[in-house]
Order: sequence, then C-alpha cells, then structure tokens
Amino acid sequence: AQTVTQSQPEMSVQEAETVTLSCTYDTSENNYYLFWYKQPPSRQMILVIRQEAYKQQNATENRFSVNFQKAAKSFSLKISDSQLGDTAMYFCAFMKSPLSGAGSYQLTFGKGTKLSVIP
Amino acid sequence: GAVVSQHPSWVICKSGTSVKIECRSLDFQATTMFWYRQFPKQSLMLMATSNEGSKATYEQGVEKDKFLINHASLTLSTLTVTSAHPEDSSFYICSAPPDRGRGYTFGSGTRLTVV
Repeated sequence: AQTVTQSQPEMSVQEAETVTLSCTYDTSENNYYLFWYKQPPSRQMILVIRQEAYKQQNATENRFSVNFQKAAKSFSLKISDSQLGDTAMYFCAFMKSPLSGAGSYQLTFGKGTKLSVIP
Repeated sequence: GAVVSQHPSWVICKSGTSVKIECRSLDFQATTMFWYRQFPKQSLMLMATSNEGSKATYEQGVEKDKFLINHASLTLSTLTVTSAHPEDSSFYICSAPPDRGRGYTFGSGTRLTVV
C-alpha cells in the first residue's frame, strides 16, 4: 500500500513571497504519478501540478514548481510570488501507473497543508 | 472542459432518513467513479469505487448496506446514505478517473448534515 505524508499541517507566507510545501511518500511501485491539488474554501478540488515518476525533469506550471526526488521519495511544491488567491488546503496525492492493474487510478492523499497568504 | 456535476451541494436531513447524492458526467462518459469522504480539516478518504454495469467495490471498513452505490449509466453514479445518523455528517466528493487525455474530474462535493 502507498502512503503519503505531509508534515506541515499549516503554513503562512507573505504576499509576493515564496513558500515550499513538503510531501514524502512510500511505495514499492516504480511507475507512478504524483499530484498537488488545491482545495480552496469552496471545497472544489483543483489540480495544481502533476509529475510522472519516469520523468526526471521537474514539472512547472507558471508560479508553481515541484522538486521531485525519486530516490528520496520526496515531492515538494514551491509557490513563487504568492497571491491571496493561493490561500487554500493543499493536498499531495499518489497514483499508481494505469498499467499496474488492481488499484490503478486510485488516488492516495496526504493529510493536507493549510496555506494562508498574508497581505 | 470535462465536468462532473454533483448534487445536492448541501443537504440537512433527520436522523434515520436516507439521502441520495448524484454525480453526473457532462460531455464525457465515466465507466468508473470514485467516492470520497472528507471530515472537517482532514484528507479525502476513498470510500468506494462504482463501475457501470457491475457492483461497486468498497474500501475496508465502509459499510456496504449503509452507503449504497449505484452506477446506472455511463453518465450517472449515485451514493445513497441509508438510515443516516449524525456520525455520517461529512463532505462527500465524487471523482471520475483519467481517461483519453482527460485528467481526474472532481465533483464540487456535498456537505451532509444529519440532525
């Protein structure tokens, strides 16, 4: 079974500053996907960024980037130029490769990090 | 883009009654739907997986008779909380898994309060 650990229950950052959210995971799988989801007060789950384990290059989406360390099983999210709209719960999630058979496509979520962006 | 429409967005019911939550996939067909439960300030926990045309698969510890899941068509999956009790109060979210270039598509969630 897979586990996802987010060790920071809450974080805060000044507007326009940079913040990094940590995530570690445990798996015996070699092929998998990692995600960061944002859940604002509306509770709608929004994909922030995703990383395929077979890709060495870290994923980037505008102000959001990840530091994927496969050997260390670490997948941190960096938010640059933080904006008030970034205030939300952030969940790190793991998914086995669709080719893995049973349990494919199921997401395993971490407990989340509540991020507050301070004006 | 692809949308999963989830209704109702919130519901208050009396203890002992049943509540049905619907998730409809718009503009795409979903042969599978995941159902999650989220307690306040906690993570999403997978409850069950519904499959069109076959029985749902429940996660360990989830009562099949209390949480009835039906996947009647390729565009509709429902979760019925039967004989609801206050401890069933929670936030329920459905999600269609990735398919043909489409990523996970989450419903907007249902806040259930049992009084």
